[in-house]
Amino acid sequence: SQQGEEDPQALSIQEGENATMNCSYKTSINNLQWYRQNSGRGLVHLILIRSNEREKHSGRLRVTLDTSKKSSSLLITASRAADTASYFCATEGMNRDDKIIFGKGTRLHILP
Amino acid sequence: DVKVTQSSRYLVKRTGEKVFLECVQDMDHENMFWYRQDPGLGLRLIYFSYDVKMKEKGDIPEGYSVSREKKERFSLILESASTNQTSMYLCASSHLAGGDNEQFFGPGTRLTVL
Repeated sequence: SQQGEEDPQALSIQEGENATMNCSYKTSINNLQWYRQNSGRGLVHLILIRSNEREKHSGRLRVTLDTSKKSSSLLITASRAADTASYFCATEGMNRDDKIIFGKGTRLHILP
Repeated sequence: DVKVTQSSRYLVKRTGEKVFLECVQDMDHENMFWYRQDPGLGLRLIYFSYDVKMKEKGDIPEGYSVSREKKERFSLILESASTNQTSMYLCASSHLAGGDNEQFFGPGTRLTVL
């Protein structure tokens, strides 16, 4: 399976601090995506990084990808209360028929 | 504003009832997906569809069926609901595979089977 596994399962930090979440996967991928889910809602796409990219930025988000270690990290800088959510990585395999597979997520709680 | 909508946010059904969950997307996406989400298990793919009248089993299709008669609509059917199908159900859509395809999700339907 190429399922991503997020680490840690849960994270609590003070507002204004940076939050880092990690994702590891097992097989070669075409791309890796990060999604956010607010409590009781659907998932929202945050950022996609291709297998030939090493780092990508979007606003306060920074994603890195290390294909040799089969791992990715999501950094949220200057966290806000509104960042409280679950964050999922999702991997898409190399084959055309490969489906996107989601990990189990990291629950992030921003403390006021 | 692109959108995926699901017919109900909350649903309560009795064991043995036939349950229909509807999903509609307005983005002309080829792919549509049904997931269930349970604590500690993440998202698990039930069924997906690449085109009208096409369907493929996901990881946990048992106890479910699907219908895609129109491109914009993908229905999940529980033929005879059971208590272990109590869950959050998420529908998603994306463009055709082969590119960098993000999935767009609906708000979810929380189904309780009594």
